[in-house]
Amino acid sequence: AQSVTQLDSQVPVFEEAPVELRCNYSSSVSVYLFWYVQYPNQGLQLLLKYLSGSTLVKGINGFEAEFNKSQTSFHLRKPSVHISDTAEYFCAVSRVSNTGNQFYFGTGTSLTVIP
Amino acid sequence: DTEVTQTPKHLVMGMTNKKSLKCEQHMGHRAMYWYKQKAKKPPELMFVYSYEKLSINESVPSRFSPECPNSSLLNLHLHALQPEDSALYLCASSQDVQVPAQPQHFGDGTRLSIL
Repeated sequence: AQSVTQLDSQVPVFEEAPVELRCNYSSSVSVYLFWYVQYPNQGLQLLLKYLSGSTLVKGINGFEAEFNKSQTSFHLRKPSVHISDTAEYFCAVSRVSNTGNQFYFGTGTSLTVIP
Repeated sequence: DTEVTQTPKHLVMGMTNKKSLKCEQHMGHRAMYWYKQKAKKPPELMFVYSYEKLSINESVPSRFSPECPNSSLLNLHLHALQPEDSALYLCASSQDVQVPAQPQHFGDGTRLSIL
């Protein structure tokens, strides 16, 4: 079975400081990994995705993530956060089953950027 | 700007009312999804449509009735809802459920309140 673990439910960080949001997945087969951001009163927006190839993936808004197969992790990082990065962040795993492509979301990490 | 449009943005209804949520996408995607999201929680999958046919129903109560009139439109008909059904309802689309590694594109949701 697929599962995605986001270890931190809340992450407060000061403006212009670096941040890392952690995501671990469990799977014995190939997976495809995604990070989504949800701003207040909005839907989910794709930040970045890992499908194959380079393990360092760059996304929008200055975010990047590193796929680590041995540690089954896909942590999200940003070197310097802005107030506007305050949002909920979801890690997701996708794989194709006999019913088609399905997403499995982590429980989310609430990032609060402090001025 | 989201490429998946949901209407209405907000909906307040009584437990005996009948209403519908609408979702539209013009990206040529052949997979469409309904999710339910409670505050500070990840989206929970409700239904998946593939090529206008229902492919997944995650044991959703019959008071929720999905409909896919064509490849661009997805409706969710609501009847006799309960207060615990109050939530953000998100629509999403992807290229094809049988193609792996396709991200899902989300609308901004309909915030539903049941009185």
